[in-house]
Amino acid sequence: NAGVTQTPKFQVLKTGQSMTLQCAQDMNHNSMYWYRQDPGMGLRLIYYSASEGTTDKGEVPNGYNVSRLNKREFSLRLESAAPSQTSVYFCASSPWTALGGTQYFGPGTRLLVL
Amino acid sequence: AQSVAQPEDQVNVAEGNPLTVKCTYSVSGNPYLFWYVQYPNRGLQFLLKYITGDNLVKGSYGFEAEFNKSQTSFHLKKPSALVSDSALYFCAVRDDAGNMLTFGGGTRLMVKP
Repeated sequence: NAGVTQTPKFQVLKTGQSMTLQCAQDMNHNSMYWYRQDPGMGLRLIYYSASEGTTDKGEVPNGYNVSRLNKREFSLRLESAAPSQTSVYFCASSPWTALGGTQYFGPGTRLLVL
Repeated sequence: AQSVAQPEDQVNVAEGNPLTVKCTYSVSGNPYLFWYVQYPNRGLQFLLKYITGDNLVKGSYGFEAEFNKSQTSFHLKKPSALVSDSALYFCAVRDDAGNMLTFGGGTRLMVKP
């Protein structure tokens, strides 16, 4: 059981480049989430997918798009990277909300935009 | 809108002493409260949660948290700190109508030998 996996672990981009961060979970969870972590600001929700086939904006969605490819996979795309998107990105998953909604996190992707 | 406050950026404690990491929250409806821990260069790990029932919740690694509805607090505690407890701790809240967690800014716990 790998839990939540993320690729890549680290990426450097130039301003204006695009990239997709990949996330997969093998726990048969229904909900998946993308967060960014910046110093002193905790984690902020970018987008989430409550169930397969649905996606919703979180607190900071501007500059990002997501795709819930299937129940296992949830990708985050930066169409035109900006230095303000330099951050650590975490994917998480959780079972049904009715079960308490505990979220399980991946190891993170460190993104540097020059 | 829901919110979480962790008033201390850092907490310093000597090994063997009790520790407390503070958290207060604001949410409409019944709160679902969580504590997570983050070790350097790692993702967040779930420690414990309060959904309903007993106000004292026990979690992983000897940690516990006390839910206080009147003070809207959910402080994390441990009777005897270990050096290996040094990490970044996050409190989070979700209301019973929503699907999103809101995190506090985090508190760095430093346990010195």
